[in-house]
Amino acid sequence: DADVTQTPRNRITKTGKRIMLECSQTKGHDRMYWYRQDPGLGLRLIYYSFDVKDINKGEISDGYSVSRQAQAKFSLSLESAIPNQTALYFCATARSSYNEQFFGPGTRLTVL
Amino acid sequence: GQQLNQSPQSMFIQEGEDVSMNCTSSSIFNTWLWYKQDPGEGPVLLIALYKAGELTSNGRLTAQFGITRKDSFLNISASIPSDVGIYFCAGLNFGSSNTGKLIFGQGTTLQVKP
Repeated sequence: DADVTQTPRNRITKTGKRIMLECSQTKGHDRMYWYRQDPGLGLRLIYYSFDVKDINKGEISDGYSVSRQAQAKFSLSLESAIPNQTALYFCATARSSYNEQFFGPGTRLTVL
Repeated sequence: GQQLNQSPQSMFIQEGEDVSMNCTSSSIFNTWLWYKQDPGEGPVLLIALYKAGELTSNGRLTAQFGITRKDSFLNISASIPSDVGIYFCAGLNFGSSNTGKLIFGQGTTLQVKP
């Protein structure tokens, strides 16, 4: 079954550490997105990519970086994690010319 | 940035009751999407709407694309305990069509009492 997977599902880290969240998809979609979800703030876009080597900033990109290593893989990095980056992180995919986005199961990140 | 106003924020209803929630925007949208999120999981797409006035059903769920293009409604009929979760609306306006950057509502938390 075509799917969007995220690893790890849960991560606890300390302030100042570098961490990477991975997203993989078997849907064959070309567009991939990273979102952050905080209680009461809904889903906010961090970065998005239309194809390999295409990277675009979303509304809250400061403190984050991304890499699109292949069409099926899109990773999110926190270079130096801080406590207010504690949140749920979701990856989503979409096919060009279609507006429907399909979400992964999420990564719960805690920065102590 | 632009936001969607989604209401109500939360609902606590009796099993078997019908549910209605809506989203409104200050600008015109060309796409409305409705998602459901279960605790600890990612949002799952329920219904997609692409035309003003469009009415689409998915089982007990029915959603409508408002005629003004500035709102959308989701109805759930005869609610059951597994309907519990957070429902999000998301929209795409004409300015974001090339990027696919969705604008999300804040969510409606639904609780169903057996």
